[in-house]
Amino acid sequence: DAGVIQSPRHEVTEMGQEVTLRCKPISGHDYLFWYRQTMMRGLELLIYFNNNVPIDDSGMPEDRFSAKMPNASFSTLKIQPSEPRDSAVYFCASSLGYGHSPLHFGNGTRLTVT
Amino acid sequence: AQTVTQSQPEMSVQEAETVTLSCTYDTSESDYYLFWYKQPPSRQMILVIRQEAYKQQNATENRFSVNFQKAAKSFSLKISDSQLGDAAMYFCAYSEDTGNQFYFGTGTSLTVIP
Repeated sequence: DAGVIQSPRHEVTEMGQEVTLRCKPISGHDYLFWYRQTMMRGLELLIYFNNNVPIDDSGMPEDRFSAKMPNASFSTLKIQPSEPRDSAVYFCASSLGYGHSPLHFGNGTRLTVT
Repeated sequence: AQTVTQSQPEMSVQEAETVTLSCTYDTSESDYYLFWYKQPPSRQMILVIRQEAYKQQNATENRFSVNFQKAAKSFSLKISDSQLGDAAMYFCAYSEDTGNQFYFGTGTSLTVIP
């Protein structure tokens, strides 16, 4: 099992550019989560999917953020246009969805918007 | 909403000694799950240990153990025989039976002194 795979590991972009973060969950996991981590706000849940369907996107900061899960093995988080305040580490995580099933995190993408 | 509180932003321990990290949570549920995650400088979020609320026996994983006090809503992590590799941020997390939502504390930064 390769675990949750995220790409890229680092992303540096200029303000106004589009950024796309990618995630491949663990095979068989029905739930996929996108988190953002900053020093100020800690870990924030942005959105989560169940069986490829977005269930709760109330954590998405604004319309500049969008997430998709076209199939069970791939998800994207897009920021368009990016702003310096979007700089953070973005984590993707997956789980089986049962209470005792832990989140399995990817290595995260460190996004820097200049 | 459920809240998870880690009141110790930073802790330090001498190598080979024992340290306890505190976590409290607020919930009206009777069935839930608790987790401790470790985030080393590599930023990977690693599951350390988990506890089911319906189990009275405290979970243990090698040098890691928990003190789960359900009535007090307390879930502390004890690290015995601390090693340099234990230096990391530690996050306490709560999940309900559905497993759809995880609530994280703000983390405790652990330093291990050689």
